[in-house]
Amino acid sequence: AQTVTQSQPEMSVQEAETVTLSCTYDTSENNYYLFWYKQPPSRQMILVIRQEAYKQQNATENRFSVNFQKAAKSFSLKISDSQLGDTAMYFCAFLGSSGDKLTFGTGTRLAVRP
Amino acid sequence: GAGVSQSPSNKVTEKGKDVELRCDPISGHTALYWYRQSLGQGLEFLIYFQGNSAPDKSGLPSDRFSAERTGGSVSTLTIQRTQQEDSAVYLCASSLMSGRGLFNEQYFGPGTRLTVT
Repeated sequence: AQTVTQSQPEMSVQEAETVTLSCTYDTSENNYYLFWYKQPPSRQMILVIRQEAYKQQNATENRFSVNFQKAAKSFSLKISDSQLGDTAMYFCAFLGSSGDKLTFGTGTRLAVRP
Repeated sequence: GAGVSQSPSNKVTEKGKDVELRCDPISGHTALYWYRQSLGQGLEFLIYFQGNSAPDKSGLPSDRFSAERTGGSVSTLTIQRTQQEDSAVYLCASSLMSGRGLFNEQYFGPGTRLTVT
């Protein structure tokens, strides 16, 4: 069974600064996908970024980028130029080769300070 | 286009009562998923449907929980004889399809907050 661990329950960052959220996972699979989801107070889960394990290049979406270290089973999210609207819970998630259920970490609550 | 919708948005019920939670997936999405988010926890997988079939029910916490999907569209999650530990946000997601080797983004609904008093 896969597990996803987020060791930072809460983080805080000054507006316009950069913050990195950590995620580690455990799996015996070689092909899988990793995701970061954002959950604002509205509860709507929003996909921020995804990474295919077979791709060595780190994914980037505007101000969001990941540092994917497959051997270390690490998948961190970097948010550059933080904005007040980035305040939310962030969940790291794993999708295995079965292609069905997502396995989530316990989340990191990020607060962006003005 | 319309996203995943869930009803009710909030539900307060007394311990021992039955509740039904509804999920309307995005039109054309054949796969549908239920997750539970308890306070301070991540999302916990409950069950998923491919069409009207549920290949994986492994996440249902007890036999008080059941789910069905009809017409390959709407799904209902039923909790019988609710307990206080059932209090959580129940999230539904849908994707084009699911299956080995496939990636299809899961689109989430806003969830139903269930409070059992």
